[in-house]
Amino acid sequence: GAGVSQSPSNKVTEKGKDVELRCDPISGHTALYWYRQSLGQGLEFLIYFQGNSAPDKSGLPSDRFSAERTGGSVSTLTIQRTQQEDSAVYLCASSPGTQRNEQFFGPGTRLTVL
Amino acid sequence: KQEVTQIPAALSVPEGENLVLNCSFTDSAIYNLQWFRQDPGKGLTSLLLIQSSQREQTSGRLNASLDKSSGRSTLYIAASQPGDSATYLCAVRAVTGGGNKLTFGTGTQLKVEL
Repeated sequence: GAGVSQSPSNKVTEKGKDVELRCDPISGHTALYWYRQSLGQGLEFLIYFQGNSAPDKSGLPSDRFSAERTGGSVSTLTIQRTQQEDSAVYLCASSPGTQRNEQFFGPGTRLTVL
Repeated sequence: KQEVTQIPAALSVPEGENLVLNCSFTDSAIYNLQWFRQDPGKGLTSLLLIQSSQREQTSGRLNASLDKSSGRSTLYIAASQPGDSATYLCAVRAVTGGGNKLTFGTGTQLKVEL
């Protein structure tokens, strides 16, 4: 079946602009995760959704970052007033829902802030 | 705070060699540990998932072991091939914090030469 998909695959934006990144999880997966991979920080957790609610937002680096999930499926990560330090690869993952389950990752969105 | 370390950071071997990648973590209270492969510019491909109650998992030429009490896991790759060249990441799902996220190591960059 189809895996996790993300769009766009690449995004170049100017400092100060807002961007939206999209994630389509594997059908039926109730849990969805966003991670960020940057050269200096490695792979870091951002936010976790169970259904449409986000019980763990502890990894969001600032209030410029927000995410939502609708219909228990698609999720959007929004970064407002982008800064150069936001440049990274943003990865989305999904899993069937419990802590014991494997997480499956999408191909990522490479964000470059000029 | 859970910390994950991978040794070595980079490894270059001739084709056909058996090799071992190491992963250590500081908090042994985990649900599971997952090994991933990442090709340049790509997302993460899940290789093996070991639950906390398990000692090892095998898939083809890959074998992963887990010693939870000592906070260690190893990924054994038999008869390495050039196609195995990639970055290998281990990640743990810690009980602390609800088990909602994976904490990643910084990876081992593997190159298998002809």
